[in-house]
Amino acid sequence: EAEVAQSPRYKITEKSQAVAFWCDPISGHATLYWYRQILGQGPELLVQFQDESVVDDSQLPKDRFSAERLKGVDSTLKIQPAELGDSAMYLCASSRTGTSGRVGEQFFGPGTRLTVL
Amino acid sequence: AQTVTQSQPEMSVQEAETVTLSCTYDTSESDYYLFWYKQPPSRQMILVIRQEAYKQQNATENRFSVNFQKAAKSFSLKISDSQLGDAAMYFCAYRSALGGSQGNLIFGKGTKLSVKP
Repeated sequence: EAEVAQSPRYKITEKSQAVAFWCDPISGHATLYWYRQILGQGPELLVQFQDESVVDDSQLPKDRFSAERLKGVDSTLKIQPAELGDSAMYLCASSRTGTSGRVGEQFFGPGTRLTVL
Repeated sequence: AQTVTQSQPEMSVQEAETVTLSCTYDTSESDYYLFWYKQPPSRQMILVIRQEAYKQQNATENRFSVNFQKAAKSFSLKISDSQLGDAAMYFCAYRSALGGSQGNLIFGKGTKLSVKP
């Protein structure tokens, strides 16, 4: 069964360092999402891609976060510099998009747990 | 903006018994989807059940069923014959039926379900 792949699964870094997370969506899924899940809370959307284009990055802290999906397949989320408050689980999800524009079910990856010291 | 509220931070159920998790939401849209996701400890989030707002019939998936009250904006999850493997965080989520940037999920804060043997 196809799954969303993410790496690394765990990342520990010191504040002010740069970190990067990678996501490989399910093949054929045009829509890709990055969510941030703070401990004890529900995930919140950071950025949404449709193919290689950003559809929604209104909640992405653009002064330190960046995301790209250059070939419309896998994606990278970067934080530079990392801050203590960035400690969280970073989830990637993907979904199909129908010809009508309606998106299908989102499938989630296992996440990357980031700890900033 | 749409919001999702889960008022039960933690719930507990005896194995083989039935438990109901509550969720309310707020939206001005008429066409949308509602979901319950399960997130086991250290494992990825998986979809438990979904409900289309235009359908009056409540969704059912094996031991999982929902009570969807559109006018009251309520969407509760009933788990029958609870099993030890049902122990997890459960998230209620909303998604607009529109395409584009409306396709992302809006999550509640979650309910931690414990199952006692």
